[in-house]
Amino acid sequence: DTGVSQDPRHKITKRGQNVTFRCDPISEHNRLYWYRQTLGQGPEFLTYFQNEAQLEKSRLLSDRFSAERPKGSFSTLEIQRTEQGDSAMYLCASSLDGSWNTEAFFGQGTRLTVV
Amino acid sequence: AQTVTQSQPEMSVQEAETVTLSCTYDTSESDYYLFWYKQPPSRQMILVIRQEAYKQQNATENRFSVNFQKAAKSFSLKISDSQLGDAAMYFCAYRSAIQGAQKLVFGQGTRLTINP
Repeated sequence: DTGVSQDPRHKITKRGQNVTFRCDPISEHNRLYWYRQTLGQGPEFLTYFQNEAQLEKSRLLSDRFSAERPKGSFSTLEIQRTEQGDSAMYLCASSLDGSWNTEAFFGQGTRLTVV
Repeated sequence: AQTVTQSQPEMSVQEAETVTLSCTYDTSESDYYLFWYKQPPSRQMILVIRQEAYKQQNATENRFSVNFQKAAKSFSLKISDSQLGDAAMYFCAYRSAIQGAQKLVFGQGTRLTINP
């Protein structure tokens, strides 16, 4: 296993289009997180799954955003009717259920540019 | 809500020297966890060091150590013997110890440059 994988690495889309990103976590990890990182800022939490259950969603996750993890393995993040303000790096992370110091491993991210 | 502040957008240090990155946070909780993450250019974020708030002893990982001041809500990172490979964005992060709380709250980051 080579770590958390995200696809695509880069996406350019026109305003109003829908986009979908995929995250493949480390295989035995049951926790999966999505974060958004804008230029010059730290990542901001979007949502979190434990297995297939979406347990927490940030207020940042508007109605245009939806995330799924149908079989408790890979996850998708869809943005509908994209806006220029959606331009950011979308980071996925995964971790193994356990003690507090279980490390979250991050993917390289998907950079979205909305034109 | 918890907040994390990194007041140094950029820092630079000579190779082999020591540098300290600052981080302060705000929380009403008594138990929590603190982390420093490193994000090299175009590469994924990796964990550098972590600290449990109830432990008074400062965490150390090889050349990386922290100065955790709970009363002051301060959590600085010291990098000794800086190496070129240490150049990256560094993020301080907070996580609640409340059962089920999983999200990390990040600071704005500090860009560290290592001068050869």
